[in-house]
Amino acid sequence: SAVISQKPSRDICQRGTSLTIQCQVDSQVTMMFWYRQQPGQSLTLIATANQGSEATYESGFVIDKFPISRPNLTFSTLTVSNMSPEDSSIYLCSVDWTSRTDTQYFGPGTRLTVL
Amino acid sequence: GNSVTQMEGPVTLSEEAFLTINCTYTATGYPSLFWYVQYPGEGLQLLLKATKADDKGSNKGFEATYRKETTSFHLEKGSVQVSDSAVYFCALSSARQLTFGSGTQLTVLP
Repeated sequence: SAVISQKPSRDICQRGTSLTIQCQVDSQVTMMFWYRQQPGQSLTLIATANQGSEATYESGFVIDKFPISRPNLTFSTLTVSNMSPEDSSIYLCSVDWTSRTDTQYFGPGTRLTVL
Repeated sequence: GNSVTQMEGPVTLSEEAFLTINCTYTATGYPSLFWYVQYPGEGLQLLLKATKADDKGSNKGFEATYRKETTSFHLEKGSVQVSDSAVYFCALSSARQLTFGSGTQLTVLP
């Protein structure tokens, strides 16, 4: 498997501001995913980001709050907009390298604290 | 819909003890099954996987067997180490959608 990186690794933000999280992979992938992990909880899928099309959002997540870009096959961004303390979470991107194994590999995550 | 049920935590063991973390699932079709591990302050790492019934996934001394008849994928290790302290997540994948269990916190004491 190749390398998945995320920036920033952590941030502390003020209520009402927005933060853009970057996910970079060192080889081309078709599907990238964004997850949220609230403190002490499991992972919840926010959206699936395919290059060249609009992201597909899961129930409970909307584009206005979590806009996603996928400009090419190696990069994606997730923005957390108009943040509140309830948005304090770890945000993780993942990729599925191949269509045959149905296996996702995760980046190191971005730890977000909203004051 | 798909769901994954994991053994309630936290689990505390002494070094060299035997570990079992139970995981059962509900899914349509034939999902792939995974164990992921999250060490303190880190992201998720794929620990092992199995893609069809009776497959055994193994890695770093951990094993899990895909049991279709009992819809289970229990994680086992014969002798845990302090460095195994982490949160373990069972997950299934169907149509490239991952569904996670709630996670089990494991602490291994020296």
